[in-house]
Amino acid sequence: GENVEQHPSTLSVQEGDSAVIKCTYSDSASNYFPWYKQELGKRPQLIIDIRSNVGEKKDQRIAVTLNKTAKHFSLHITETQPEDSAVYFCAASMRGLTFGKGTHLIIQP
Amino acid sequence: DTGVSQDPRHKITKRGQNVTFRCDPISEHNRLYWYRQTLGQGPEFLTYFQNEAQLEKSRLLSDRFSAERPKGSFSTLEIQRTEQGDSAMYLCASSQYESYNEQFFGPGTRLTVL
Repeated sequence: GENVEQHPSTLSVQEGDSAVIKCTYSDSASNYFPWYKQELGKRPQLIIDIRSNVGEKKDQRIAVTLNKTAKHFSLHITETQPEDSAVYFCAASMRGLTFGKGTHLIIQP
Repeated sequence: DTGVSQDPRHKITKRGQNVTFRCDPISEHNRLYWYRQTLGQGPEFLTYFQNEAQLEKSRLLSDRFSAERPKGSFSTLEIQRTEQGDSAMYLCASSQYESYNEQFFGPGTRLTVL
């Protein structure tokens, strides 16, 4: 089955700086790669996703890149703000999602 | 509220009891998924339905777990003879087949087994 590795487990950045979270996956058949943000006690919220036929996608301050050959995908958040503090999960999928273990992003004021 | 809903939001039970959770997906979504999330971990896939058909089950779904979606709308997840290790947040998600695999999650049911 699919296996998703996510790094780092904790990331602390200064407000206004950029944050990068990286994931790798094992199953070359996976074709959909979403990123979810989860605040304490709340449901995961989809923030951006990318499909296997696309290399990069951007939505305002958030971007995702995908390298299918290397089976890597990354989340980039620019101009970080305090409200970006949360746990971020990457996932890979053909049908059911396989999630990484999460990155706790801390934005220092 | 037109999002995914789950009931109950919290359930406390004693070991050995049976519990049942309900999920109501977004109305036009024909795919429904169940996940389990423990503290500090990402959600783990359990099973999914397309309409009323259960198309995939994870090996995490032991014989004590059963899920149904009899009319292709709401779904139930039953856990028989609960164990302390079943304590977790049970999340439901739904998606439209036509929009690839974009899954939207419900608020979850937090199960505590004493």
